[in-house]
Amino acid sequence: EADIYQTPRYLVIGTGKKITLECSQTMGHDKMYWYQQDPGMELHLIHYSYGVNSTEKGDLSSESTVSRIRTEHFPLTLESARPSHTSQYLCASSESLEQFFGPGTRLTVL
Amino acid sequence: EDQVTQSPEALRLQEGESSSLNCSYTVSGLRGLFWYRQDPGKGPEFLFTLYSAGEEKEKERLKATLTKKESFLHITAPKPEDSATYLCAVQAPGQAGTALIFGKGTTLSVSS
Repeated sequence: EADIYQTPRYLVIGTGKKITLECSQTMGHDKMYWYQQDPGMELHLIHYSYGVNSTEKGDLSSESTVSRIRTEHFPLTLESARPSHTSQYLCASSESLEQFFGPGTRLTVL
Repeated sequence: EDQVTQSPEALRLQEGESSSLNCSYTVSGLRGLFWYRQDPGKGPEFLFTLYSAGEEKEKERLKATLTKKESFLHITAPKPEDSATYLCAVQAPGQAGTALIFGKGTTLSVSS
């Protein structure tokens, strides 16, 4: 089982603020992912990475950006948060097919 | 278009009352079908991977099966602690970043 951590767990901020959601994993997995989940809805992929210096956008359009400078770290940044960004953000990592998820960050933008 | 549909959306059971959750999928070239459990406010917890039709996996009171068009998660003699949302996901060739395609989930409530 992968150990994957996300901080903060909950975040309430005002419109226009810049925020970074942190994600770290200790299993040495090359592949990492960011999903977005709204209540009662499916998870949707917004970003992924195959390894250091590799980042790609997922199927769901997002105004966020990501970076992968170290294998274990995959932060997500919103330059200017808006109420439409209010959602649950889930980070995952994998070595093969199975993906292991962190606890998530619940973001509320007022 | 690759798609995953789960039914029912919600299921209420009495403790000990066995039942099944359904996951129907349409995907070209299934690489794997995954079941996750998600508790409120938490990330999905991995349960099973199924790779080919006819395959079965078991864990405690849960048993997952797979056919060419659907998967079932059978819950035998459930307990209140089995209450959660159960998510089904598939992975297919060509998906961005080997991403998973998720269904909306079935929310299971087990009362004592």
